[in-house]
Amino acid sequence: GIQVEQSPPDLILQEGANSTLRCNFSDSVNNLQWFHQNPWGQLINLFYIPSGTKQNGRLSATTVATERYSLLYISSSQTTDSGVYFCAVELGFGNEKLTFGTGTRLTIIP
Amino acid sequence: GAGVSQSPRYKVTKRGQDVALRCDPISGHVSLYWYRQALGQGPEFLTYFNYEAQQDKSGLPNDRFSAERPEGSISTLTIQRTEQRDSAMYRCASSRPFSRGTVSSGANVLTFGAGSRLTVL
Repeated sequence: GIQVEQSPPDLILQEGANSTLRCNFSDSVNNLQWFHQNPWGQLINLFYIPSGTKQNGRLSATTVATERYSLLYISSSQTTDSGVYFCAVELGFGNEKLTFGTGTRLTIIP
Repeated sequence: GAGVSQSPRYKVTKRGQDVALRCDPISGHVSLYWYRQALGQGPEFLTYFNYEAQQDKSGLPNDRFSAERPEGSISTLTIQRTEQRDSAMYRCASSRPFSRGTVSSGANVLTFGAGSRLTVL
C-alpha cells in the first residue's frame, strides 16, 4: 500500500515562531488532506490540497504532486496551534480510502 | 445534522462483551467511513460505504468486526466478543454531498466526528 511519512515527528516552538511540516508519499494521489488533532482529540480538516497552494489565515499548504510531497506552514504560532498534525492521502480511481501519516506533534510554549 | 455525530463518546466494557458504535453523518453525505486510532498513532481505515453499499471492508481486522448502513444514513460499527486489544478511538467521517441523482464527482473531502473512545477491561 501507499506509504505516508511525516517529519519532524515532534516540534517544540515558542509562541510567535513559524514552522514547516512535511509530508512525503510514495505514489501518485488523487486526494491529500491536512488535519489538526487538537488536545481534546477532535480531528479538524485544515486543507484539501492534492496539488498547488492554499492559504487560510496564518496557515498555508503547498503540494508538489509530481515530487510526491506536501508542506504545511504555520506562521506566528499560537498556543492553540498545539496538537498533532496529520497528512492523509487517497489514491483514487476506485481506491477511495484515506491513508494517514504518523503525524507531527507540535507544542507551542507561551 | 450540521456535523458528524458519534455515540457513545466513551464506552467502557468488559472483555467478551459486544459493543455497538453509532455514526450519524452530515445530512446529504453519500460516503461514510470508519477509522480506528490507537494512542499515539494515526487513524487506520476500517471500512466505508457509498449509500447503503459497503464498498471496501479490507481494513476490518477480523470477523468480530462488522459495519452496516441499512438506509444509507446512520451507520453502526459492531465489535463482538471484545478483547483488550480493541481499545482505541473509533472515528467516523462522511463526505460527498448528494448531487443531482449521482455521487458528487468533486473533491472527496472527509469530515470527522468527535469519535467514540472504547476501553475494554
